[in-house]
Amino acid sequence: GAVVSQHPSWVICKSGTSVKIECRSLDFQATTMFWYRQFPKQSLMLMATSNEGSKATYEQGVEKDKFLINHASLTLSTLTVTSAHPEDSSFYICSATGTSGEAGELFFGEGSRLTVL
Amino acid sequence: GQNIDQPTEMTATEGAIVQINCTYQTSGFNGLFWYQQHAGEAPTFLSYNVLDGLEEKGRFSSFLSRSKGYSYLLLKELQMKDSASYLCAVKDSNYQLIWGAGTKLIIKP
Repeated sequence: GAVVSQHPSWVICKSGTSVKIECRSLDFQATTMFWYRQFPKQSLMLMATSNEGSKATYEQGVEKDKFLINHASLTLSTLTVTSAHPEDSSFYICSATGTSGEAGELFFGEGSRLTVL
Repeated sequence: GQNIDQPTEMTATEGAIVQINCTYQTSGFNGLFWYQQHAGEAPTFLSYNVLDGLEEKGRFSSFLSRSKGYSYLLLKELQMKDSASYLCAVKDSNYQLIWGAGTKLIIKP
């Protein structure tokens, strides 16, 4: 199956710093990538949808200036959490859809666990 | 509003069969997905239904009835490694994926 790689898996940072998370599709072209946040024992919460070469579409309540998303190529999207605070601590997951799998099938990255001290 | 309902938690015995139900009310329908998510890991794809009926993949089967807004995931010959959360998700008329809260499945020996 198609592979999506997410990096880093774990990150601990100080409050006020920025953290970048990368999401790469390794063996297919990801025309659309999705970024999710998941708090403990809760379901996935879609943060934004990004299409290659265009601006991301953010879900209601998600600050676009705080969660910067770049999807500059068909294989890479990045999420930057700017000026992170402890309440931003969460499990961030990316997924991609594109030229592989069944229609609309999502391929998920491994997830990135962010802890802000 | 759009809504996906699935039980919060289910318990089953190793070797048995379990059915996890999902009902949905969405603005349009363009397919229903089932994903498995182990604690602390990202979801993995299990199945995709867009037409009514049963799709079988090994020990897992998924059923869809569009007229009833209903799907189920059937897991046979349960193994301990099947202990996980199972997420139902529906793609609406805008091709946006609406996620259920997930069903935590506990397998007992």
